[in-house]
Amino acid sequence: GENVEQHPSTLSVQEGDSAVIKCTYSDSASNYFPWYKQELGKRPQLIIDIRSNVGEKKDQRIAVTLNKTAKHFSLHITETQPEDSAVYFCAASLNNDMRFGAGTRLTVKP
Amino acid sequence: EAGVAQSPRYKIIEKRQSVAFWCNPISGHATLYWYQQILGQGPKLLIQFQNNGVVDDSQLPKDRFSAERLKGVDSTLKIQPAKLEDSAVYLCASSRGQFANTGELFFGEGSRLTVL
Repeated sequence: GENVEQHPSTLSVQEGDSAVIKCTYSDSASNYFPWYKQELGKRPQLIIDIRSNVGEKKDQRIAVTLNKTAKHFSLHITETQPEDSAVYFCAASLNNDMRFGAGTRLTVKP
Repeated sequence: EAGVAQSPRYKIIEKRQSVAFWCNPISGHATLYWYQQILGQGPKLLIQFQNNGVVDDSQLPKDRFSAERLKGVDSTLKIQPAKLEDSAVYLCASSRGQFANTGELFFGEGSRLTVL
């Protein structure tokens, strides 16, 4: 089955700086790559996703890039704000098989 | 629209006891998932239903875990007997699509289980 690795496990940045979280996946057939944000004590919520026929997708301060050849994808957050502090999970999916990374705890210092 | 509802939010039991968690998905969502999230790890799929049929239960420890989704709406996840390693948050999610890669999963707030 699919295996997803996520780095780094923790990330601390100053407010206004950029943050990058990287994930690699093992199954080259995976075709859907969502990113979920989980604030402390709350439910995971989808923030952005990308499909394998697209190399990059952007939504305001958030962007995701996908390199199918290397089997890795990344989340980019620009102009970070304290409310961006949370745990971020990447996932890779083919049909019913969706595997999540272990998560990255992002802390944005004011 | 109302979100995914789960109960109880917290449960503390002793090992070898049993526990049950309940989930009510978003109205109209045919697909329902139960995930186990151990502290410091990503969610791990336990079982997936489409309507009231099981689509994937390959990672469900069937000797102690069971789940059902009667009438294709609410679902119950049971653990009997519980082990210390079952301590985790149990997340229920639902989606409109048939497959996990169709689109967004809507998660509930989770049920935190502590096994002593």
